[in-house]
Amino acid sequence: DIQMTQSPSSLSASVGDRVTITCRASQGIGNDLGWYQQKPGKAPKRLIFAASSLQRGVPSRFSGSGSGTEFTLTISSLQPEDFATYYCLQHNSYRTFGQGTKVEIK
Amino acid sequence: EVQLVQSGAEVKKPGESLKISCKGSGYIFTSYWIGWVRQMPGKGLEWMGTISPSDSDTRYSPSFQGQVTISADKSIDTAYLQWSSLKASDTATYYCARLAYSSSSPDYWGQGTLVSVSS
Repeated sequence: DIQMTQSPSSLSASVGDRVTITCRASQGIGNDLGWYQQKPGKAPKRLIFAASSLQRGVPSRFSGSGSGTEFTLTISSLQPEDFATYYCLQHNSYRTFGQGTKVEIK
Repeated sequence: EVQLVQSGAEVKKPGESLKISCKGSGYIFTSYWIGWVRQMPGKGLEWMGTISPSDSDTRYSPSFQGQVTISADKSIDTAYLQWSSLKASDTATYYCARLAYSSSSPDYWGQGTLVSVSS
């Protein structure tokens, strides 16, 4: 099984901050990775697909990068509506989510 | 508009059976796969399995093989997740999601179905 190690598990940040979340795969997965945002009581929402492609309708402050085993989600300037939990999902072999990163207000 | 509408919350007792549903609209149901995801209370997301509604080709994640059954009825654009004998540990919110093909990441999601299992 492919394991996804996501870090940090939580972070505190202020509006306007640049935020970076990392996912590391236990083996190479090419660019078979998506990033999701989940707010309390709501379904996940896809932000990024194929590691670096922005989902239509998602603000350009979100970006994804990486390939192989190391991937990054960056929020260039954190907005109030971005406080949520973020998950990576590999879909190269079966599917595995990262453990999640909760982004909280500092 | 693409929508996946799931059935309502359920309260069941251990040992009971259950089938929850996910109805697609706004797209050609048989052209996309459907996946199911579990989220236990206060926990992260877990992938359970996928189905192709066009031919019912079904694939389970190893952790869920034999624990649940995924099915679909293409005549009514609906996918299902079912249990034959619920356990308290099945208490969770279950989401369905649409996938462009068997190995893609899901784009649209249902609103979730909360299943509570308690004696």
